[in-house]
Amino acid sequence: DAGITQSPRHKVTETGTPVTLRCHQTENHRYMYWYRQDPGHGLRLIHYSYGVKDTDKGEVSDGYSVSRSKTEDFLLTLESATSSQTSVYFCAISGPGLAGAEAFFGQGTRLTVV
Amino acid sequence: AQSVSQHNHHVILSEAASLELGCNYSYGGTVNLFWYVQYPGQHLQLLLKYFSGDPLVKGIKGFEAEFIKSKFSFNLRKPSVQWSDTAEYFCAVQRGGGGADGLTFGKGTHLIIQP
Repeated sequence: DAGITQSPRHKVTETGTPVTLRCHQTENHRYMYWYRQDPGHGLRLIHYSYGVKDTDKGEVSDGYSVSRSKTEDFLLTLESATSSQTSVYFCAISGPGLAGAEAFFGQGTRLTVV
Repeated sequence: AQSVSQHNHHVILSEAASLELGCNYSYGGTVNLFWYVQYPGQHLQLLLKYFSGDPLVKGIKGFEAEFIKSKFSFNLRKPSVQWSDTAEYFCAVQRGGGGADGLTFGKGTHLIIQP
């Protein structure tokens, strides 16, 4: 398995509180991604990073922010958690390639907002 | 923007049956195509990928997929399934060219193999 660690693995939080999820990689891959997985929706891209301090929005970025101060760490923050953000969150990493590259996924973080 | 459509949301087969899962995408340019598998309670793992070249791609665990450009399809096949193939299968597309673009996933197919 690729060296990707997500923390925490499980979290229950209250509506309106801020939450930060962490993704740590040991592969030195340039690209990092945050997806959320919901039944009936597959995985949807929240934000991604193409280098340190370089990030961009994905398909479902509202209510989320990200930061990447080091190559190995990519943080996802829910500024004020809502019940609609209850989901399983996956971090993925990918190296640049001339034509593209496959993504490797972390184990996921199950977040419940009550 | 790309989109991916997986035709079957739930498939139930008996062991040794043949499998074909449909995947169509919409995007006019060059694409990279992937099939990922997610076993119960686990993360996504790559089954196979297509970037260019031979449109028939072989992956792990006896899976293969065929890219048909004219049909915008990338169907997954396996001649004889096993109980251990029970999982969720996701087709995904990425804009080609080597950039940082993330993957666009289909909604998934839940495959159940009965012993």
